[in-house]
Amino acid sequence: QKEVEQDPGPLSVPEGAIVSLNCTYSNSAFQYFMWYRQYSRKGPELLMYTYSSGNKEDGRFTAQVDKSSKYISLFIRDSQPSDSATYLCAMSLQGAQKLVFGQGTRLTINP
Amino acid sequence: DADVTQTPRNRITKTGKRIMLECSQTKGHDRMYWYRQDPGLGLQLIYYSFDVKDINKGEISDGYSVSRQAQAKFSLSLESAIPNQTALYFCATSDASGGAINEQFFGPGTRLTVL
Repeated sequence: QKEVEQDPGPLSVPEGAIVSLNCTYSNSAFQYFMWYRQYSRKGPELLMYTYSSGNKEDGRFTAQVDKSSKYISLFIRDSQPSDSATYLCAMSLQGAQKLVFGQGTRLTINP
Repeated sequence: DADVTQTPRNRITKTGKRIMLECSQTKGHDRMYWYRQDPGLGLQLIYYSFDVKDINKGEISDGYSVSRQAQAKFSLSLESAIPNQTALYFCATSDASGGAINEQFFGPGTRLTVL
């Protein structure tokens, strides 16, 4: 059983749809929750992060953490074809320097 | 990210061959990492280094070795390549003073195929 589970998809939605990407985790000590975006033939790049529980919004993107359920989400509003990528969740402990990644979800936004 | 470069970008080799993947960075970061990415498995940490004299095993270090030649250079070696080491390999860096989030900056990846 992996510490962080993420449905690898693929997920295909029409342009303009609201997209929900999710991860579950087993280690209740995780404090930092991140979403990395990886375009085809590129390395991952940090998209957003949250500390502990709650929501964080950045433009069309919202990151949500529910520590009681050990569940995190990334919502994309008004999705665009340029959002087509693989999205990886990642988590770390307080003071730790290693990240634990989910499997990544491959997302395609169809024009 | 042009600040983290990996060579080669693609490599096809045969079982039993020794392979070295190289990573260089101009970001001035102390910390460097090697990951492999397989479909459905995400990113798995192979080795990491917090400075030139510090090398640590990650979750899947068997069959791999590393060398930190300088702050800016971190190499990954496969002493005797086997087909299940076929994967996409990423180097990453992070700044020790970058705060608790420890944002990692990834290179473009090396696609390795072992026949």
